[in-house]
Amino acid sequence: DGGITQSPKYLFRKEGQNVTLSCEQNLNHDAMYWYRQDPGQGLRLIYYSQIVNDFQKGDIAEGYSVSREKKESFPLTVTSAQKNPTAFYLCASSFTQSGFWNSPLHFGNGTRLTVT
Amino acid sequence: DQQVKQNSPSLSVQEGRISILNCDYTNSMFDYFLWYKKYPAEGPTFLISISSIKDKNEDGRFTVFLNKSAKHLSLHIVPSQPGDSAVYFCAASAGMTGGSNYKLTFGKGTLLTVNP
Repeated sequence: DGGITQSPKYLFRKEGQNVTLSCEQNLNHDAMYWYRQDPGQGLRLIYYSQIVNDFQKGDIAEGYSVSREKKESFPLTVTSAQKNPTAFYLCASSFTQSGFWNSPLHFGNGTRLTVT
Repeated sequence: DQQVKQNSPSLSVQEGRISILNCDYTNSMFDYFLWYKKYPAEGPTFLISISSIKDKNEDGRFTVFLNKSAKHLSLHIVPSQPGDSAVYFCAASAGMTGGSNYKLTFGKGTLLTVNP
């Protein structure tokens, strides 16, 4: 079955450590995204990538980094510079179509990161 | 500045009745709107969408209405079932006009509880 796999489901880190969240998709989607969800909040966009080797900052990119070396993979690194890293992180992907976008995002099941 | 607003954090309805979830937006560039459903500890799943050239879109028990002049959309679920109990997110994009390049802006969500 095609889908988006995020691993691990739960992740614990000590403050000051960088941590990388994995996201893999086999949907042949061009675009991939990272969102963050906090309690009582909507999803906020961290980074997105429309094509391999290219990515753009979202609304809350500070303290995060990404890479897009393969179409299928879009790992997110939460660095020690991120002031409030504890959150639920969601990866998504979609088709893109130049000049017209009507492809809903497909989401993975998320990684809950706890930093103490 | 919250561009997509879901002013009701929660809604409770009886099984078989209609559920109406509301969403308001402020950005006049938004031209594509989606509803996502989310269960705890899972990623959101796409439910239904509507483009700004329409005022209604229907899919089974789910209907989305768009009032562009009021910058308001609503999701109707008829009849409501206990399995519909979840958080519903409204999302918007300016992608169809090439504005924001596939970025989605989410509301904070509404928790729907359908009582048997």
